[in-house]
Amino acid sequence: DAGVIQSPRHEVTEMGQEVTLRCKPISGHNSLFWYRQTMMRGLELLIYFNNNVPIDDSGMPEDRFSAKMPNASFSTLKIQPSEPRDSAVYFCASRVAGSYEQYFGPGTRLTVT
Amino acid sequence: AQSVTQPDIHITVSEGASLELRCNYSYGATPYLFWYVQSPGQGLQLLLKYFSGDTLVQGIKGFEAEFKRSQSSFNLRKPSVHWSDAAEYFCAVAFTGGGNKLTFGTGTQLKVEL
Repeated sequence: DAGVIQSPRHEVTEMGQEVTLRCKPISGHNSLFWYRQTMMRGLELLIYFNNNVPIDDSGMPEDRFSAKMPNASFSTLKIQPSEPRDSAVYFCASRVAGSYEQYFGPGTRLTVT
Repeated sequence: AQSVTQPDIHITVSEGASLELRCNYSYGATPYLFWYVQSPGQGLQLLLKYFSGDTLVQGIKGFEAEFKRSQSSFNLRKPSVHWSDAAEYFCAVAFTGGGNKLTFGTGTQLKVEL
């Protein structure tokens, strides 16, 4: 079975541009999590969904960040406009209902110049 | 609020030596405990988990961890480290009623000397 799939793996963009990160969770998993990892702040939970519904977005840094999950097999994290301080590795993780363990994708390394 | 502490930021061991990475958590409820490993440029891979029952749990890659409720600890161990174990290790905890979220420690970077 395929794991969590993220695209792109690397993204380099200029300040002010829109960035969209994509995630496909493991089939059958009904919870999806977006994390951001930086040297300074470590691993931070941005938002998570249960059954495609956003449950907790308290970790989203500001209004420039938005996330959607239009169906059970796809989610996006959008940054508009992007800023250099958004440079980080963004991870998507998924989990099956009734379980606490999360399975992580390989991440998207975002660089904003 | 719940928290996870990994007191060692960096650890260096020689190949073939034993390893113990420390993890402490704080919260009164029954915890669900995890260890993840992150190799350079990779995502986090689940090594092992503890939910209940036997307090010594076995994981992948020859790792094990022991839950000690009296010490609020869940230390990760390996009897003989291989050079390929060099990576960053994260302890994580979830609690019933905690909103299904994992709280991660800050990680321990393991270096293996040949």
